[in-house]
Amino acid sequence: AQSVTQLGSHVSVSEGALVLLRCNYSSSVPPYLFWYVQYPNQGLQLLLKYTTGATLVKGINGFEAEFKKSETSFHLTKPSAHMSDAAEYFCAVSVLKAAGNKLTFGGGTRVLVKP
Amino acid sequence: DVKVTQSSRYLVKRTGEKVFLECVQDMDHENMFWYRQDPGLGLRLIYFSYDVKMKEKGDIPEGYSVSREKKERFSLILESASTNQTSMYLCASSLGRGGGTSGANVLTFGAGSRLTVL
Repeated sequence: AQSVTQLGSHVSVSEGALVLLRCNYSSSVPPYLFWYVQYPNQGLQLLLKYTTGATLVKGINGFEAEFKKSETSFHLTKPSAHMSDAAEYFCAVSVLKAAGNKLTFGGGTRVLVKP
Repeated sequence: DVKVTQSSRYLVKRTGEKVFLECVQDMDHENMFWYRQDPGLGLRLIYFSYDVKMKEKGDIPEGYSVSREKKERFSLILESASTNQTSMYLCASSLGRGGGTSGANVLTFGAGSRLTVL
């Protein structure tokens, strides 16, 4: 069975500081990995995804994530936090079923950005 | 853009009531999902459907059922609501299996339905 662990349910960063959100996964097969973001009172939207190939994946709003197979990690980073980055972030691993994929999500990390 | 519309943003129901949560997507996606979101637990899959009239249990199906009579519509049913079903419910859709990278198909989510059971 697949699982995802996000370290830290809450992260507080200063505006302009590095954002680092940690995600570790377990999967019996090569995984597809995702980061989603949820702004207040909204559904989730895709930040970025890893399928195959280049292990450093760039997403929207200046975020990127690096797939490290040896560490079973897919940490999300942004060099300089902006106030608009305050949101909840979810890491997910995909399982390919007979007719499509099914995502398993981590517990989420809520990001607070201080001025 | 794909739109996934959940009919009710906020609902308040009483214990024992039957509750219907409706979800409609407008981009001909084969797959549809119902997740439940609780603080600290992330999103947990309740049910999913790969085709009309087809459904599969997710990780926490107890106390829930689903209906998919049309491709664009996926309904979540709470036969007898209980207080421990107070939660945010998220519907999502995605393309079906159509190629080598379909495991990476992106889920598009609705805005959510916050259900309170008193």
